[in-house]
Amino acid sequence: QKEVEQDPGPLSVPEGAIVSLNCTYSNSAFQYFMWYRQYSRKGPELLMYTYSSGNKEDGRFTAQVDKSSKYISLFIRDSQPSDSATYLCAMSVVTGANNLFFGTGTRLTVIP
Amino acid sequence: GAGVSQSPRYKVAKRGQDVALRCDPISGHVSLFWYQQALGQGPEFLTYFQNEAQLDKSGLPSDRFFAERPEGSVSTLKIQRTQQEDSAVYLCASSLDLEESQDTQYFGPGTRLTVL
Repeated sequence: QKEVEQDPGPLSVPEGAIVSLNCTYSNSAFQYFMWYRQYSRKGPELLMYTYSSGNKEDGRFTAQVDKSSKYISLFIRDSQPSDSATYLCAMSVVTGANNLFFGTGTRLTVIP
Repeated sequence: GAGVSQSPRYKVAKRGQDVALRCDPISGHVSLFWYQQALGQGPEFLTYFQNEAQLDKSGLPSDRFFAERPEGSVSTLKIQRTQQEDSAVYLCASSLDLEESQDTQYFGPGTRLTVL
């Protein structure tokens, strides 16, 4: 069993829809949680970074962490065709110089 | 300034050949990471450098994989006697190595290796 599980999708939604992406994990030592966006043939770019449990909002994006359930979510409001990409959750035990554990990635397509 | 760059972007090798993949991190970044991303999968950690010191190589899949960062900046990932299962995108990331608050890893575009 992988330490981080993520539904690979693919997920297709109409423009303007609310998108919900989720990951579960097994290692209770994870404290830092990230969402990366990866366009085709590009490297991952950081979208959201959250420490421990709670919510964080940045524009149309909201990240939620529930450590008691070992479950994290990313919500995208008013989705746009430019949001079409693969979304990767990632987590680490400590911040700083520490390798990240990634989910499989969910491929999202927003249809105009 | 420039982001993380990697070269070559694409590499085709015949099984058994040796390959060398280069990573130029963001200037001033102390930490450098290599990840392997198989098709349809998330990146998986290979190895980590702090300046020129390789502090963690627990993710290297076999002794055919070797990484170095001799002057604490550019890094090279070498794969000897390539096998078909080595086909993947190899991602390099760098970070400032901040001890407090958020420390972001910035990724390069990757090198797509295909072993025939």
